[in-house]
Amino acid sequence: EVQMVESGGGLVQPGGSLRLSCAVSGFTFNTYAMSWVRQAPGKGLEWVSIIGASTTNTYYADSVKGRFTISRDNSRNTLYLQMNSLRAEDTAIYYCAKKYSGSYHFDFWGRGTLVTVS
Amino acid sequence: QSVLTQPPSLSGAPGQRVTISCTGSSSNIGADYDVHWYQHLPGTAPKLLIFGNSNRPSGVPDRFSGSKSATSASLAISGLQAEDEADYYCQSYDNSLNGYVFGAGTKVTVL
Repeated sequence: EVQMVESGGGLVQPGGSLRLSCAVSGFTFNTYAMSWVRQAPGKGLEWVSIIGASTTNTYYADSVKGRFTISRDNSRNTLYLQMNSLRAEDTAIYYCAKKYSGSYHFDFWGRGTLVTVS
Repeated sequence: QSVLTQPPSLSGAPGQRVTISCTGSSSNIGADYDVHWYQHLPGTAPKLLIFGNSNRPSGVPDRFSGSKSATSASLAISGLQAEDEADYYCQSYDNSLNGYVFGAGTKVTVL
């Protein structure tokens, strides 16, 4: 059974930093690209970032480029999101999602962790 | 606003059929990127409902169906049930933004 559990969310002041983690089990983590998607209060889903299976390729939404860094530790089956220079508009539930190989969609998601910038 | 356009809300009586539209542009759906659909209940993990425009993952009832044409796509729910009350999101890839794009979501209410 695939399990994806996010952690690390919390309350942070504007300009502050936070590091999110996503612990994964139930599939061969090091063979799949992984992504972060967020949902601001009362808003829809917004893609944030993605990292390839081998960690060399990373991509970001313009809204977080230069402030957020995605990374992964394949030995620990864990995905990370380092968030710096946080803004009020970064307040959201952050979900990690597994990308389906060969397609541009996400087949498994975690339940999310709440980040509040205030 | 979202790159993909969805109606904010829809409603239907149990047993009815509802259809959710998703309109994109020449840099996403119209560029031949597939459309995917997710069902999301607040406080839970989003669930993949339809992938590759019209394919259902194992375990998704055949009451859910998807289609795509030109720069738009749609998700149909037939035989609406109370458990279908949720938010539904379409998603594709955009080669102008070089990223994944979502619709703003459609809240389906079962009357």
